[in-house]
Amino acid sequence: ETGVTQTPRHLVMGMTNKKSLKCEQHLGHNAMYWYKQSAKKPLELMFVYSLEERVENNSVPSRFSPECPNSSHLFLHLHTLQPEDSALYLCASSQEPGGETQYFGPGTRLLVL
Amino acid sequence: GENVEQHPSTLSVQEGDSAVIKCTYSDSASNYFPWYKQELGKRPQLIIDIRSNVGEKKDQRIAVTLNKTAKHFSLHITETQPEDSAVYFCAAGGGYNKLIFGAGTRLAVHP
Repeated sequence: ETGVTQTPRHLVMGMTNKKSLKCEQHLGHNAMYWYKQSAKKPLELMFVYSLEERVENNSVPSRFSPECPNSSHLFLHLHTLQPEDSALYLCASSQEPGGETQYFGPGTRLLVL
Repeated sequence: GENVEQHPSTLSVQEGDSAVIKCTYSDSASNYFPWYKQELGKRPQLIIDIRSNVGEKKDQRIAVTLNKTAKHFSLHITETQPEDSAVYFCAAGGGYNKLIFGAGTRLAVHP
């Protein structure tokens, strides 16, 4: 359960705020991911990083800005979000991108007012 | 583009019955098929996976079957228990830098 950690676990922000989500993996993996999970919707892949290089950007609005300073840390910077961005944001990691088991963090539940 | 379809979206069974969830995938290059269980308020967790060189895999009460020709794979849960109640996601990977997830199946096991 401690392989992938995320902070904060809960976040409430106004539409004009700037905040950051943090993910850390302690598994020695080379790939990290951000997903958005809304109520009654499937997991939506947002970004994929492999060895700190972004290899996938799934048409995510620019108000979401990822950062991967090293292979163990992944951030998601948020600014001028909309209420429809309220969701559970999940981080995951895997040994390599693609056909490998992904291990998920506990998620950050975000509410945008 | 790549796609994974999952059925049914909801499934309700009596305790002790079996449950089957089916997925089909579009990318013939996919070679890895995991299944995740997500309990309410918790993270998705891997429960079983299968690679394309194997047709079936079993782990106690859960099993997964893969038909590469038809591009579909299924999760089978036998002797269901209330603690099996959760959302189950299938996924396919290997062809791209990511796993493609199905939309999920909400399983309810009634005592």
